[in-house]
Amino acid sequence: EDKVVQSPLSLVVHEGDTVTLNCSYEVTNFRSLLWYKQEKKAPTFLFMLTSSGIEKKSGRLSSILDKKELFSILNITATQTGDSAIYLCAVEGRNYGQNFVFGPGTRLSVLP
Amino acid sequence: DVKVTQSSRYLVKRTGEKVFLECVQDMDHENMFWYRQDPGLGLRLIYFSYDVKMKEKGDIPEGYSVSREKKERFSLILESASTNQTSMYLCASSYGRSSYNEQFFGPGTRLTVL
Repeated sequence: EDKVVQSPLSLVVHEGDTVTLNCSYEVTNFRSLLWYKQEKKAPTFLFMLTSSGIEKKSGRLSSILDKKELFSILNITATQTGDSAIYLCAVEGRNYGQNFVFGPGTRLSVLP
Repeated sequence: DVKVTQSSRYLVKRTGEKVFLECVQDMDHENMFWYRQDPGLGLRLIYFSYDVKMKEKGDIPEGYSVSREKKERFSLILESASTNQTSMYLCASSYGRSSYNEQFFGPGTRLTVL
């Protein structure tokens, strides 16, 4: 059965700290891994990763995938209170259609 | 901008009632999805559809059914609501049959079953 695990489940840091969020997976026929940020309502897209070792970067956020060890990390540098959210990792690993298995999410709280 | 809308933000129903959750997307996406989100469990796929009148079961289809009569609309139906179906329901859509397309989410419907 396909599975996505995220750690930690909850994290509290202070502004300016750097955080690393982890996502490991077991899926058949891996196709892609996505990171989403969910604040109060709908998740919003951050990154899609399909190849190992290629870092994707957007401002203070970056992410990388390791397809051999079956994990991805999401880094946030110089955290701000606006980074407080649930960060969701999703992996596409099915043989049909296009759908994703989501991890439980990491709840990040950034204190001023 | 892709827009995915859901018919209600908050809904309160009684046990045994039939419940309809509607989702509409305006970007001509082929794929549409219904998830429920519960604390500690993340998002779990209920049903998805990759074409009009086509549907596939996700991980937790029991107690739910869906309808896709038009490409832009995907409905989730709770035939007889139960208290364990109290949850946040998220609809999503994506383009095409290719693997490399992100999903766009609606704002969610928080359903409470009393």
